[in-house]
Order: sequence, then structure tokens, then C-alpha cells
Amino acid sequence: GAGVSQSPSNKVTEKGKDVELRCDPISGHTALYWYRQSLGQGLEFLIYFQGNSAPDKSGLPSDRFSAERTGGSVSTLTIQRTQQEDSAVYLCASSSTRLTAFYEQYFGPGTRLTVT
Amino acid sequence: QKEVEQNSGPLSVPEGAIASLNCTYSDRGSQSFFWYRQYSGKSPELIMFIYSNGDKEDGRFTAQLNKASQYVSLLIRDSQPSDSATYLCAVGGSQGNLIFGKGTKLSVKP
Repeated sequence: GAGVSQSPSNKVTEKGKDVELRCDPISGHTALYWYRQSLGQGLEFLIYFQGNSAPDKSGLPSDRFSAERTGGSVSTLTIQRTQQEDSAVYLCASSSTRLTAFYEQYFGPGTRLTVT
Repeated sequence: QKEVEQNSGPLSVPEGAIASLNCTYSDRGSQSFFWYRQYSGKSPELIMFIYSNGDKEDGRFTAQLNKASQYVSLLIRDSQPSDSATYLCAVGGSQGNLIFGKGTKLSVKP
């Protein structure tokens, strides 16, 4: 079946502009995660949604970052007043909530964000 | 702060050899462990997961977990040039997220 999809695949924006990144999880997966990966760095956890529950925002690096998930499916990550240090690949993952598969996360292709 | 440590490499092995990738983690209470493969410019791809002490085999891949020593390893038998990639070790975190190591770059030479 279809995997996790993300859009856009690439985004170039000017410092200070707002950007929205979209993620569509695997059908039937109720858990959705956002990570980011900076050049040469590991994956940094940003936020986690489980179904329609309030998200765990503990990984968001600043209050310029926010995310929402509509109808328990598609998610949007918004970065306001972008800064050059926000340049990274933003990765979305989803997983099932079956106990043995809870952490088995499947990643989308990512959005490469470049802030100039 | 929970941490996952990996040797950054590069690890170079000849084609047909066994590649051994290692990972240590700091949280003794961790219960779930994962290996992802990431080709350059691509997103991570889940290749193995292991929850219990011992070995788990899937094709040419074997994951090994030793909770007492807090390490997890990945063995790749009969390594192929197409296995050349960065291998990420990840541990399940308390928030449902994964905590990743920075990865080991593997190069398989023909």
C-alpha cells in the first residue's frame, strides 16, 4: 500500500517568512511523528500525535514551531519567522498502535527546507 | 538525557564479508530497539527491530540485543555494495518517539 507522503519535497524560503510542511501518514496508522535532520546530525524528535489526543510537544525547539493534525490523519508542521538554523530535512513518520508495532515507525521522503 | 551512541565510521568491508555494527544506549529501562538504513539523500528505512534479549534473524540481517550490557548490534552477512549506507540505531523513548544515534556509515567495497 501507499507509504507516508510529504509535501513539498523541497522548500526554499527567505528568513522571516512562515512555512507549512504537510504529512499524510500510512492509512490506518494512528500515531504520527515529526523529526528533523540537520546536515551531519542525527534525527531530532519534534512532536508526536496519537490519534486525536493532545500532542506531545516536548521536542519543539522554540515557540515558532507548531503542528496540528486534522481528523486524526494529515498533519501540518508550521514554522513561523524562519531562521537560517531551521534549515534541515523535516521527516514525518507514522506507526500502528498495535502493541508490538507501536514503535515501528515508517518514514516519509522528507521535506528539505532551506532558509536563505 | 537518554542517549544512543554509535561509532560514526566509516566502516569499510569487502564484498561478501560480514559487517558488524554496534550501538550502546544509556537508559537501562529501554524495551524496544530498531535499526534503520539511510541511503544518501533518502529517508530512513526500517530494516530490523528487536525487543527481547538474544538474536533475531531476517535474511542476511541479524540483530543482537544484550540488555544487561546495554548494547545492540546488527550483523550483515554476505555484504553487498548495495548495503553501503548509513545505519541508524534507535531506541524507543518514553514519549512514544524514537531516540536515534548519529549513525554508522558502512562502505562495502567490490
